[in-house]
Amino acid sequence: AQSVSQHNHHVILSEAASLELGCNYSYGGTVNLFWYVQYPGQHLQLLLKYFSGDPLVKGIKGFEAEFIKSKFSFNLRKPSVQWSDTAEYFCAVTGSGGYNKLIFGAGTRLAVHP
Amino acid sequence: GAVVSQHPSRVICKSGTSVKIECRSLDFQATTMFWYRQFPKQSLMLMATSNEGSKATYEQGVEKDKFLINHASLTLSTLTVTSAHPEDSSFYICSARGTYPEAFFGQGTRLTVV
Repeated sequence: AQSVSQHNHHVILSEAASLELGCNYSYGGTVNLFWYVQYPGQHLQLLLKYFSGDPLVKGIKGFEAEFIKSKFSFNLRKPSVQWSDTAEYFCAVTGSGGYNKLIFGAGTRLAVHP
Repeated sequence: GAVVSQHPSRVICKSGTSVKIECRSLDFQATTMFWYRQFPKQSLMLMATSNEGSKATYEQGVEKDKFLINHASLTLSTLTVTSAHPEDSSFYICSARGTYPEAFFGQGTRLTVV
């Protein structure tokens, strides 16, 4: 069965610190991977996505993620976080077929202190 | 990115009544729509996947007679919560996907059953 595991439930950082959020998935086939962000009181927004090709993908706001197929991982990174990055981050996976369902991880709540 | 409009954003209803939530893809054709439920400070739990013109596929534990999903056109899907009870109070989110694997999210609907 499909599943997504996010290891960090709560992360607290100071501004300018580096960020890495873990995401591992379980899926029997070719996958498409996503990171979404949900700012307080707002709806989900796409940060970045991986469909194929270069396993290192760059998204908005300085975020990037690396797809490591052998580890079934898609970790999110940012070299230097800002207070405005305070939000909840969700990793999601879907199969490459047209009608495959989109499954989310439990989410990681990031708090960045000035 | 593509726009998904969800309506209403908030609804309060009396216990025992039914509530309909609409999800529209405004500038693309959504062959697949997903309905999620999000509890406070938790992740998105997939309730069902609907493909245009066919019956929705419900996740295990989700009552299909309770949560009626209709995906009659390529731009509209509806979720009807029938005979709502206080335990159905939650944040419901729809997501739409067209040709590409990327899914776009509505603003969500906060349902409160009193």
